Amino acid sequence: EAQVTQNPRYLITVTGKKLTVTCSQNMNHEYMSWYRQDPGLGLRQIYYSMNVEVTDKGDVPEGYKVSRKEKRNFPLILESPSPNQTSLYFCASSSTGSYSYEQYFGPGTRLTVT
Amino acid sequence: ELKVEQNPLFLSMQEGKNYTIYCNYSTTSDRLYWYRQDPGKSLESLFVLLSNGAVKQEGRLMASLDTKARLSTLHITAAVHDLSATYFCAGINTGNQFYFGTGTSLTVIP
Repeated sequence: EAQVTQNPRYLITVTGKKLTVTCSQNMNHEYMSWYRQDPGLGLRQIYYSMNVEVTDKGDVPEGYKVSRKEKRNFPLILESPSPNQTSLYFCASSSTGSYSYEQYFGPGTRLTVT
Repeated sequence: ELKVEQNPLFLSMQEGKNYTIYCNYSTTSDRLYWYRQDPGKSLESLFVLLSNGAVKQEGRLMASLDTKARLSTLHITAAVHDLSATYFCAGINTGNQFYFGTGTSLTVIP
C-alpha cells in the first residue's frame, strides 16, 4: 500500500530534550516536506526537500533541522524543543515528474513540549 | 511570499443547498490545490488545478482556477452531511514552496 508513515504519532517531552520525528514514504517520491498545523494558522511549511541531499527552508524553519540521506526518509529534528513548538506535525511527499506535485500526507504527529 | 486567503473561515449550511468557498492568492501560482481534513485526521488531496481555466469535479465538489484573477473556487452542490470537514487551498511558488490558506470549516446541517 502506498503510504507516508510518521513516528511517533504522539509525543510529550520537556523543554530542551532533543527529539526526532521520522517520516518515510514508499512511493519513490522525490519531494518531501514537513508542516506544522496550529489552530487558526492553517499549515505552514517548515522544510522541504526536492531530492536526496537537497533541502530548503520553508516558512517557519527556526528551531528545526532536517536531513535527506535516503530518498524514502526525511526526519525532522528538534535539537532543543521549546513550548512554542507544541503543534501537530505532518510529513508529506509528492512526485516531481508529473509537474502537479500532488502531495500525500502522513497521519500526523502530535507533539507537546512542557 | 505567496499569501493564500480563504473565505469564509466557517460555513454552516443546510443539506441540499449549494455554496462556494473562495481562495485568493497574492502572487503568481500556476498550480492550486484543494485538500480535505476530517477532525483528528490527516489531509486528503481533492483537486490539483494546473492551468488557467482548469475545472475539476468529483461528486458534489467542483473546483476551478482563474490565474488572472488569482482566484480558485470550491463549489459544493446539494450538500450532504458527509461533506462536513475542513477544506484547505494551497498554492506553490516558483521555488516549489507550498503556502496554505487557514482553512474553511464546513458543517452541513440535516
